[in-house]
Amino acid sequence: DIQMTQSPSSLSASVGDRVTITCRASQGIRNDLGWYQQKPGKAPKRLIYAASSLQSGVPSRFSGSGSGTEFTLTISSLQPEDFATYYCLQHKSYPLTFGGGTKVEIK
Amino acid sequence: EVQLVESGGGLVKPGGSLRLSCATSGFTFSAYSMNWVRQAPGKGLEWVSSISSSGTHIYYADSVKGRFTISRDNAKNSLNLQMNSLRAEDTAVYYCARDPSGALTGFLVDWGQGTLVTVSS
Repeated sequence: DIQMTQSPSSLSASVGDRVTITCRASQGIRNDLGWYQQKPGKAPKRLIYAASSLQSGVPSRFSGSGSGTEFTLTISSLQPEDFATYYCLQHKSYPLTFGGGTKVEIK
Repeated sequence: EVQLVESGGGLVKPGGSLRLSCATSGFTFSAYSMNWVRQAPGKGLEWVSSISSSGTHIYYADSVKGRFTISRDNAKNSLNLQMNSLRAEDTAVYYCARDPSGALTGFLVDWGQGTLVTVSS
């Protein structure tokens, strides 16, 4: 199975800050990775697919990069509505595996 | 608009059974693979099972293999998850999620709002 190690597990940031979240895969997964945002009590929402492609309707302050084993999600200027938990998901092979999540909190 | 609505959750005793359903609308259900993902209270997301559009290809997480059965009724536009021999560690919100392809790609693009399953005596 492919393990996804996500870091940090939580971070505190202010509105306007640049935020970077990292996921590392235990083996190469090409660009078969998505990023999801989840707010409390809500279903996850896909932000990024194919590691760097922005889902339709998602603000351009979100971006993804990486290939192989290391991936990043960047929020260029954190907005109040961005405080949430973020997950990566590899879909290179089954079982599908998620990172442990990063909770982005208000500083 | 794609809609996924889960139902069937509730309180069940350890060793018991429960059947979850996901009613869908807004897309041609028979053309897309479907998935179940769960989230234990206060924990992260865990993939559970996937089924291809025709039902021919199915995958399960090791944690549920042999106890859970995924199925679909393309005539009724619904996805099901039969859960047997339930354990306390199966307690979670269960989400159904749509794959944007008939093949199993793992691209979980659309999600329902989830149904809570609680396994407790």
